Amino acid sequence: DSGVTQTPKHLITATGQRVTLRCSPRSGDLSVYWYQQSLDQGLQFLIQYYNGEERAKGNILERFSAQQFPDLHSELNLSSLELGDSALYFCASSADAEPYNEQFFGPGTRLTVL
Amino acid sequence: GDSVTQMEGPVTLSEEAFLTINCTYTATGYPSLFWYVQYPGEGLQLLLKATKADDKGSNKGFEATYRKETTSFHLEKGSVQVSDSAVYFCAYTGGGNKLTFGTGTQLKVEL
Repeated sequence: DSGVTQTPKHLITATGQRVTLRCSPRSGDLSVYWYQQSLDQGLQFLIQYYNGEERAKGNILERFSAQQFPDLHSELNLSSLELGDSALYFCASSADAEPYNEQFFGPGTRLTVL
Repeated sequence: GDSVTQMEGPVTLSEEAFLTINCTYTATGYPSLFWYVQYPGEGLQLLLKATKADDKGSNKGFEATYRKETTSFHLEKGSVQVSDSAVYFCAYTGGGNKLTFGTGTQLKVEL
């Protein structure tokens, strides 16, 4: 158990819909990272928040957005969903802002868009 | 641009066999290098890391040495077990303050 929790575990929705994925980092960790894992794209970094502020951005679509709240939990919002958004979405956390420190991954949310 | 390339899988070995999973990177500067492991149905876990040239990371019998001259960070284990069956990801800290992962190599260890 990494100490990172993600809800829900599974999500099934239809094209055009909007969903919110939630992540609670390990106690004391200030950084939250979001990744998308799919068969064709592999593991892609989406975005990082550090202590409530956006820190780094990867291959995140404009239809996707994220935020980190004062209690440090984070939410990833996916809108106007397409079939190709079906993937496993991981959240990870680390103690500080630097990517070379260990990131602790949650179990993931599996999103299926029908 | 910056990237990391690792050998394609699946790699299938018998228990107690020697394991090598190749990883090479192209990056400017001096990236930190990592191996993460993903067991079935779980998130990724850090297996080992090295932050500068000639550093050797090691954990649970796995080793990898940061070779700047060959831009490589190959993962090795002398004697694999069935419980090592997982997907192994090579990664590095590239530009933009982010961690970039390779495509992953699936390892299957059979009795």
